[in-house]
Amino acid sequence: EAAVTQSPRSKVAVTGGKVTLSCHQTNNHDYMYWYRQDTGHGLRLIHYSYVADSTEKGDIPDGYKASRPSQENFSLILELASLSQTAVYFCASSDRDWGQDTQYFGPGTRLLVL
Amino acid sequence: QQQVRQSPQSLTVWEGETAILNCSYEDSTFNYFPWYQQFPGEGPALLISIRSVSDKKEDGRFTIFFNKREKKLSLHITDSQPGDSATYFCAASPGGNYKPTFGKGTSLVVHP
Repeated sequence: EAAVTQSPRSKVAVTGGKVTLSCHQTNNHDYMYWYRQDTGHGLRLIHYSYVADSTEKGDIPDGYKASRPSQENFSLILELASLSQTAVYFCASSDRDWGQDTQYFGPGTRLLVL
Repeated sequence: QQQVRQSPQSLTVWEGETAILNCSYEDSTFNYFPWYQQFPGEGPALLISIRSVSDKKEDGRFTIFFNKREKKLSLHITDSQPGDSATYFCAASPGGNYKPTFGKGTSLVVHP
């Protein structure tokens, strides 16, 4: 079964601080994604990646950077955390392009920015 | 612009009833429609999906009905169980290297 893990599972950060969220998958999937979930907004795509060392912007990339150093790992970086970035963040992976295969989601990271 | 819309936002049914969750979309290039189920504190997980070449997909108590002409689909959960209480997301994609689009979800509560 597909396995996607995220760390940390929860984090409290200060406004203006740097936050790094990590994602690791053990499925040999090419595609990885970062979403944020807010009440009333569903899931919104922040960044995604098709291959190691390459990332693409999603629908809401402002204020976020992504890094894909290897096929297994995908990080989301908030260089200057802001109050509006308080949310639950989900990482997902899929074997081929999203439209052709299932996305497997991690358990999420709950981020609170104070 | 919200390309995938879900209704109702929340739905309450009694155990044994059929829950009907609706989804509509605007982009005619969308051809793959997965439904994800999310329990509190967990990530979404694929429940059932349909491609635009089909008008119906069944998996146990879960059935998707798809109307390509009207750009609408619905998820029917028959004999609803309290364990079905979750948030359900409708998503859409045109396939290929395109970004997926999620609806805002329907929160389902099944009372015993």
